[in-house]
Amino acid sequence: LAKTTQPISMDSYEGQEVNITCSHNNIATNDYITWYQQFPSQGPRFIIQGYKTKVTNEVASLFIPADRKSSTLSLPRVSLSDTAVYYCLVGVRGSNYQLIWGAGTKLIIKP
Amino acid sequence: DSGVTQTPKHLITATGQRVTLRCSPRSGDLSVYWYQQSLDQGLQFLIHYYNGEERAKGNILERFSAQQFPDLHSELNLSSLELGDSALYFCASSEWTASTDTQYFGPGTRLTVL
Repeated sequence: LAKTTQPISMDSYEGQEVNITCSHNNIATNDYITWYQQFPSQGPRFIIQGYKTKVTNEVASLFIPADRKSSTLSLPRVSLSDTAVYYCLVGVRGSNYQLIWGAGTKLIIKP
Repeated sequence: DSGVTQTPKHLITATGQRVTLRCSPRSGDLSVYWYQQSLDQGLQFLIHYYNGEERAKGNILERFSAQQFPDLHSELNLSSLELGDSALYFCASSEWTASTDTQYFGPGTRLTVL
């Protein structure tokens, strides 16, 4: 069964690019990877989702190497408002459908 | 606003009691998920329903149960409450298609067990 591991916390500065990596071994071809952002006392908010290679939207990029044993969320030019907890989720499709959430990475952006 | 509604926003009760949390999904979403988040902890996936049927179970205690009704709203029932059940309970909904599963989270119900 897939398991997700991500760093507990990270610090960075305004204007920098931030990369948060999630490790997920035993991930199958049809399993998808999603990242969510959560502010205190609010529900998580979808950031980006992908299966392989690279996906980009208006707020982030998601890089998934060929072996799919990890994925990296990339936030370009972060600001103070990006301070939040970021969760990695592996959706295991098929007959053993499951949702495997990471423990979250607390990202603190400094001025 | 995600379009997912949860009631009540706050709930204070005593140990041993039973409560029901309610969730209305976004219009058109057939899937409902329930999560528990204790103070400063990560998300604990409890259960997922799709169009009235249970699809997956996470770390849901036997004292907890859920159901999804024909109008697609869902209820999470928590019984024999303990102090440790105090937490934020989130509901999320999604379309849950073969290629995507973007979950939209509600604002949560904060449960305090005294």
